[in-house]
Amino acid sequence: SQTIHQWPATLVQPVGSPLSLECTVEGTSNPNLYWYRQAAGRGLQLLFYSVGIGQISSEVPQNLSASRPQDRQFILSSKKLLLSDSGFYLCAWTAEMNTEAFFGQGTRLTVV
Amino acid sequence: RKEVEQDPGPFNVPEGATVAFNCTYSNSASQSFFWYRQDCRKEPKLLMSVYSSGNEDGRFTAQLNRASQYISLLIRDSKLSDSATYLCVVNMYFGNEKLTFGTGTRLTIIP
Repeated sequence: SQTIHQWPATLVQPVGSPLSLECTVEGTSNPNLYWYRQAAGRGLQLLFYSVGIGQISSEVPQNLSASRPQDRQFILSSKKLLLSDSGFYLCAWTAEMNTEAFFGQGTRLTVV
Repeated sequence: RKEVEQDPGPFNVPEGATVAFNCTYSNSASQSFFWYRQDCRKEPKLLMSVYSSGNEDGRFTAQLNRASQYISLLIRDSKLSDSATYLCVVNMYFGNEKLTFGTGTRLTIIP
């Protein structure tokens, strides 16, 4: 069966520090991968998605970047965090187009 | 107009009651539709897919109305454990892997 791992679960970082969140999927090949952010009391905002190694689509201009160095690994990064980067970051995968998404447990990031 | 729009609620419903949510979407060519459930401070989890003919899973019924561009979720005999935020999700564009989420409808079942 397929599983998705996301870590860390919680992170407190100072403004201006770098960020690296990692997500890996097991039990499937060539998944579509996604990074979402959910601000407190808000909906999910799609940040990045990837249909293959090295292929990244960015949805909104922001202080973040994403990379997919391996088929089942998706990384969210920032060189310098802003207060506004605080939120609940969720990684997700889909098997193919028009199918449901499965989420990791999320990383709750607080920038102080 | 938002791509996917939901009534944010909150819906406060007594235990045992029936509750229904609607969700509208802007693109008539949208291909796939889902309902997700999100508990407080947790990740969203798939509740059910929504098929053109409508589908039922126990106390939950989902329907799609392509002509009016909305999907619905009906919960019968509501339980305390149904309290959560319900997210409407649409794959908006054919050939595009992007899933668009509504902001969610918050449901609280009252004992």
